[in-house]
Amino acid sequence: GEDVEQSLFLSVREGDSSVINCTYTDSSSTYLYWYKQEPGAGLQLLTYIFSNMDMKQDQRLTVLLNKKDKHLSLRIADTQTGDSAIYFCAEKLQFSGNTGKLIFGQGTTLQVKP
Amino acid sequence: KAGVTQTPRYLIKTRGQQVTLSCSPISGHRSVSWYQQTPGQGLQFLFEYFSETQRNKGNFPGRFSGRQFSNSRSEMNVSTLELGDSALYLCASSLISVGSYEQYFGPGTRLTVT
Repeated sequence: GEDVEQSLFLSVREGDSSVINCTYTDSSSTYLYWYKQEPGAGLQLLTYIFSNMDMKQDQRLTVLLNKKDKHLSLRIADTQTGDSAIYFCAEKLQFSGNTGKLIFGQGTTLQVKP
Repeated sequence: KAGVTQTPRYLIKTRGQQVTLSCSPISGHRSVSWYQQTPGQGLQFLFEYFSETQRNKGNFPGRFSGRQFSNSRSEMNVSTLELGDSALYLCASSLISVGSYEQYFGPGTRLTVT
C-alpha cells in the first residue's frame, strides 16, 4: 500500500536539535525526500536519500534511514527560529523510465521557541 | 537558474466554471508533475507529463486534465469547478535522467471556488 505517516507537531528551543520522524509502507520505494513548507509558499526540497543508503548529511541536516523498519528521520542541528515550518516526508513510487509520483506524509509542524 | 514558476498565484472562481493553471519548469527539465494540497487530504498526485505525454495519473475525476507543450511548459485544466476543488495546486519539475532525482516545486496557485 501507499502510506506515509508523520507525527503532526514538534516544539523545540532555539539551539536544540530537532528530530522529525516518518514511516513509509512501500518497500519498493527508491528515493525518500524531505521538503519544507513555509506559510503561503510552495515546497522547498531540503534533501533526499537513496533507499540503499543508511545516512546522509548535508550541513545542519542529517537523514537516517532504517529500511528494515521503513523508518526515516530528519535531524536539524542547532535549530533556528527560521526553521519553523511544516516538514514533509515523501517516498517516490517509481514507474517506467524514471518517472513516478511522490507519496507525502501529513507534514510535521516544527515550532522553534526563542 | 530560475526556479519553477506558476501563474496565476491566486484565483477566485465560481462553482461550475472552468480554470486553467500554468507551470513553467526549470530550464532543461522535461518532466512536470502536478499536486493538489488541501487541509483535509494533504498533498495528492494529479498527473505527470514528460515529453508532451501524460505518463502517470492520480486518482482524480476526468474534470482534471493537463497537457505539456514542446518547451516543457505545462497547463492543467479543471472543468465544472466544485467547492471541493479549492486548494493549493503545486507543480514540480524534474530532469528525469540517471543521477538526477530531485523534484523542485513552484510556489503554487491558490484556487478558491465560491
